[in-house]
Amino acid sequence: GEDVEQSLFLSVREGDSSVINCTYTDSSSTYLYWYKQEPGAGLQLLTYIFSNMDMKQDQRLTVLLNKKDKHLSLRIADTQTGDSAIYFCAEDYNAGNMLTFGGGTRLMVKP
Amino acid sequence: DVKVTQSSRYLVKRTGEKVFLECVQDMDHENMFWYRQDPGLGLRLIYFSYDVKMKEKGDIPEGYSVSREKKERFSLILESASTNQTSMYLCASSFLLQNEQFFGPGTRLTVL
Repeated sequence: GEDVEQSLFLSVREGDSSVINCTYTDSSSTYLYWYKQEPGAGLQLLTYIFSNMDMKQDQRLTVLLNKKDKHLSLRIADTQTGDSAIYFCAEDYNAGNMLTFGGGTRLMVKP
Repeated sequence: DVKVTQSSRYLVKRTGEKVFLECVQDMDHENMFWYRQDPGLGLRLIYFSYDVKMKEKGDIPEGYSVSREKKERFSLILESASTNQTSMYLCASSFLLQNEQFFGPGTRLTVL
């Protein structure tokens, strides 16, 4: 079955870059997603990448996709304390109508 | 902006009670979803609906049922709540093609 894995925690200092990694198993995914969940809030879509792309950049966010290794990463440049949150990667399956989420990576930004 | 609302942010119920969690979206989305979120387990899909009165089981449907009588509203029902259903419940909706899911703020349910 589908499986998406992430490490549970990441700690960085303010101003450093953060890199959150994710591995997935379904090679037929069309889109891969990064969601952010701030404390006490629901999930918010941060960015997504189409499966035939290697990289997507959006301001401080860079998504890298290695389809051969089924590895997805999210890089946050100049990490700020406001970036502290849980980050979930997700892949779609079942003709694109369902998502499988990873367990989430809790990013802690130290001042 | 798409808005997905859930009827309660926090809910406390007793074992055996019937529990209704309501979700409403205002963007005429075809698809609606119910997830539960538990520490270390991420989001797990309970049920989803791809049209009015249509529903499909997700990964963990046991102990839950759903109702979609109107396009904008998707209800999650716990027929007889149990303590292992204490969790954060998240509702989401999406258009058919784009697959981006928009989430509600979540309902934290505690079953005593």
